[in-house]
Amino acid sequence: DQQVKQNSPSLSVQEGRISILNCDYTNSMFDYFLWYKKYPAEGPTFLISISSIKDKNEDGRFTVFLNKSAKHLSLHIVPSQPGDSAVYFCAASGGNAGNMLTFGGGTRLMVKP
Amino acid sequence: SQTIHQWPATLVQPVGSPLSLECTVEGTSNPNLYWYRQAAGRGLQLLFYSVGIGQISSEVPQNLSASRPQDRQFILSSKKLLLSDSGFYLCAWSINRDLGYTFGSGTRLTVV
Repeated sequence: DQQVKQNSPSLSVQEGRISILNCDYTNSMFDYFLWYKKYPAEGPTFLISISSIKDKNEDGRFTVFLNKSAKHLSLHIVPSQPGDSAVYFCAASGGNAGNMLTFGGGTRLMVKP
Repeated sequence: SQTIHQWPATLVQPVGSPLSLECTVEGTSNPNLYWYRQAAGRGLQLLFYSVGIGQISSEVPQNLSASRPQDRQFILSSKKLLLSDSGFYLCAWSINRDLGYTFGSGTRLTVV
């Protein structure tokens, strides 16, 4: 039972345009969400997070939106750059899982020059 | 500052051989430690986690085991590797959830 799902395995975007990566979760007890970015042959690196008391968090070109009623979060990258090409994982924690993160399956983003 | 070291970076091992991957953390005490595997084209699969010395929880029954002999050392082992053990292995640590996980640089294991 996947509690965190990223239904799009890949996404291709033109440089300068907006990239929108989506993530859905099923566990209503999750109350903290994170996005990680992973390049090939490297470990994932933390990108941005959001607590369930907020519906938006912004950091430079990256914005995460949280819709608790829909159990949906999204990562917006504006403008997209070729260096953003990577696999993006969303993750969630809370409830019985405590600090443990549950990861989605990842979305591969390709930003074309 | 906190750092995490994971080695080796790449490893090619024959089927049936043993495995030992090591992960150490510096600059923090009593971290939670994790081993993940990413198979080709797949997501991150949690293999083991540890909340303290000698405390290991296994998420998936398989051909692997983990040990935490010291507070900041986490070891992933196998007595006999299978072809299906090939993948990218990642160690991670956390202190509190606000900081999330910090991952090591990973080990690419190829079992031949």
